[in-house]
Amino acid sequence: GENVEQHPSTLSVQEGDSAVIKCTYSDSASNYFPWYKQELGKRPQLIIDIRSNVGEKKDQRIAVTLNKTAKHFSLHITETQPEDSAVYFCAASKGNQFYFGTGTSLTVIP
Amino acid sequence: GAVVSQHPSWVICKSGTSVKIECRSLDFQATTMFWYRQFPKQSLMLMATSNEGSKATYEQGVEKDKFLINHASLTLSTLTVTSAHPEDSSFYICSARSGGPVEQFFGPGTRLTVL
Repeated sequence: GENVEQHPSTLSVQEGDSAVIKCTYSDSASNYFPWYKQELGKRPQLIIDIRSNVGEKKDQRIAVTLNKTAKHFSLHITETQPEDSAVYFCAASKGNQFYFGTGTSLTVIP
Repeated sequence: GAVVSQHPSWVICKSGTSVKIECRSLDFQATTMFWYRQFPKQSLMLMATSNEGSKATYEQGVEKDKFLINHASLTLSTLTVTSAHPEDSSFYICSARSGGPVEQFFGPGTRLTVL
């Protein structure tokens, strides 16, 4: 089955700086890569996603890049704000199968 | 986006009892529903995938006789934890997707505590 690895597990940045979270996957058939933000005790919320036929996608301060050859994808958050503090999960999916990374706890220091 | 609800949001039960958790898609028809388990400060672990009207597909290592899943309609799936034990205490989250978009929508989760 699919194996998704995520790094780093924790990340602290100063407000206004950028944050980068990286994930790798093992199954070359995976074709959909969403990123979720989860605040403590709440449900994961989709923040951005990318499909395998696209190399990069941007939505305001958030961007995702995908390298299919290397089987890795990254989340980039620019101009971080305290409200960006949360746990972020990447996922790799094919068909009905979704496999999540281990999560990154992001802390934005005011 | 689409709304998924879960009930109950929090349940405490005695060891040996069974607990049923409901997952409902409120404004769309969910052809597929997923059940995840999440331990504190850990990732979501996929337990099973269920399609309406058919048997659930369980992930390796998940006991299908212990975690009974029923997806009887396009808007409702249930997870029953049978003969619960303290090690079953966890946060259980469901998600649902329609037959169209790939995106899945998560429920708010159910915190199960087994005494």
